[in-house]
Order: sequence, then C-alpha cells, then structure tokens
Amino acid sequence: NAGVTQTPKFQVLKTGQSMTLQCAQDMNHEYMSWYRQDPGMGLRLIHYSVGAGITDQGEVPNGYNVSRSTTEDFPLRLLSAAPSQTSVYFCASGRDAGAGNQPQHFGDGTRLSIL
Amino acid sequence: QQQVKQSPQSLIVQKGGISIINCAYENTAFDYFPWYQQFPGKGPALLIAIRPDVSEKKEGRFTISFNKSAKQFSLHIMDSQPGDSATYFCAASAGGTSYGKLTFGQGTILTVHP
Repeated sequence: NAGVTQTPKFQVLKTGQSMTLQCAQDMNHEYMSWYRQDPGMGLRLIHYSVGAGITDQGEVPNGYNVSRSTTEDFPLRLLSAAPSQTSVYFCASGRDAGAGNQPQHFGDGTRLSIL
Repeated sequence: QQQVKQSPQSLIVQKGGISIINCAYENTAFDYFPWYQQFPGKGPALLIAIRPDVSEKKEGRFTISFNKSAKQFSLHIMDSQPGDSATYFCAASAGGTSYGKLTFGQGTILTVHP
C-alpha cells in the first residue's frame, strides 16, 4: 500500500514550457485534490475531484488543468509555465465524507521551479 | 482572502512546555477542523481533527479546543518534545461534497529546544 504517490519529486522548467504532474493513489479514495504551498501562505487548493469524470476549481485554478479518467489517477497540467507557478505542489486523497472523519492523505510533493 | 487565520507564525518552546497555536475562521459553513503536521520534505499528515458539536478533543499530548461562537479553535501540545518540531497547519472544510476542499491557515513553525 503506497498511499499517495507523486512524480516527479523535483522539476525545473523554462517559462512557457508545459508539463504534467502525476498523482496516483491506491486506497480507492473518491476525493482527490491538488494544492500548492508557498511560504507564508499555507496550502491553497488548485483543483478538486469527487470521483472519476468529475472535477471542480479551487481557490487558485488559473494556469492549471486537470482531468480524472480513473479513480486512481489525478494529473495536474501546467499549460504554459510562468515564474509565479514556482511552488511545491501536493496531491491529496480521501474517502467520502459519509465514511466519517476520514483524513485527507497527502503525497510528499513535487518541487517545481520555473525559470 | 484568507478565510482561516493562524497565529503565531513561529513559536519556540522549551522541552516539557506547552505549545499553543490559534486559528480563527470566517465561513460559518465550515464543519470540519483538522490540524496537520508537516516535517521538512514531506507532505502534511493529519494530527487531530474536531467537529463543531464538541468543544474539546484530546488525543495523547494533543488537544483541540473549539469555540463556535467566537469562530476560533486552537491546538495545545502538552509536554512538548524536540520531535514535535515541525510546521503545523490548521484547516477547515464544509460538509457534503466540499468535505475534501480544505482551506488552510498560514502555518506555524514550532521549534522545541532540548
């Protein structure tokens, strides 16, 4: 049981390049989400999914796309990287709220630098 | 707009002391309040969580106090240990399909001196 796996762990991009951050979970969780963490700002929600084929925008969605074709995977796409997207990105997953106080499980992050 | 405000930004405590971190929220639809602990290079991990139908929850050395009328909640770490040195985040989410949409505070860097 690997939990939430994020790849790559580190990435350097040039402005204007595109890339996909991968996130996979093996816990059969319905909920998956992407956050970015910047100094002094905590974690901010980028995009969110409550199940395969269903996605929703979070607080800071501009410049990012997501899709959820399977329960296990929730990739985050940067369409045209900008220096303002330099951040640490975390993927999280969790079970349905009806299952009680189930925690969100976080991956160990992708550290992304845009030059 | 920061819907969850956390203080202090940093905290230094001696071993055996009590660490207290405070959070205040604005959105009255929030009904789930977790605290996360994060070590360098790792993702946040759930420490303890509370719902607004109780005023206090204790798990080992960690206690959440919740004041619904004031829209405030706090984390108390009793008998703080050097291994507790980490960044702590409070968070909040609403119910239903918004359960997993966490709004985080800014974080508190806790340092426990031996």
